[in-house]
Amino acid sequence: GAVVSQHPSWVICKSGTSVKIECRSLDFQATTMFWYRQFPKQSLMLMATSNEGSKATYEQGVEKDKFLINHASLTLSTLTVTSAHPEDSSFYICSASRQGAEKLFFGSGTQLSVL
Amino acid sequence: GEDVEQSLFLSVREGDSSVINCTYTDSSSTYLYWYKQEPGAGLQLLTYIFSNMDMKQDQRLTVLLNKKDKHLSLRIADTQTGDSAIYFCAESITSASKIIFGSGTRLSIRP
Repeated sequence: GAVVSQHPSWVICKSGTSVKIECRSLDFQATTMFWYRQFPKQSLMLMATSNEGSKATYEQGVEKDKFLINHASLTLSTLTVTSAHPEDSSFYICSASRQGAEKLFFGSGTQLSVL
Repeated sequence: GEDVEQSLFLSVREGDSSVINCTYTDSSSTYLYWYKQEPGAGLQLLTYIFSNMDMKQDQRLTVLLNKKDKHLSLRIADTQTGDSAIYFCAESITSASKIIFGSGTRLSIRP
């Protein structure tokens, strides 16, 4: 089946630094990828929709200058949390759509802890 | 707008059936999903149903859809300790569009 690889699986960083999370579709081309954030004991909230070769569409309340999304190829989307602060500590998970598939494919998620 | 609601907790005895309920508001939802998330882990798609279906059964899992009431349920037969997790109801308009998740139901199993 289709595989979505997300890296890193966890990261700890100092406040003020930037962190890049990668989401790769390993065996298919993903024209659209989605980025979600999940705070502890809460649901997954859609942050943005990433389309290959174009600007990402951000959900209301998500700062596009803070959460930079790049979808430069059909197999890779990146989320960069710029100038991370402790309140950005969360579980980030991506998903990718494959043409003709009846479902989205999710990465395994990245646990970000900002000290 | 899009909204998916679930109760937050469910406790069942091992061996009994678990029924997790969900309601959604978007009448254009075509795909309805149930995901499972174990502690510290990603999402596992358990099953999904198309909006033109009333029921889908897959081994111990039975999904019932009442499209008129926008009500979805997941029944887990013979609940085991390994079923302890958070179960998310979710919906999307197409298989390639964004998925809107419910708040999740934490299922706990008691002996």
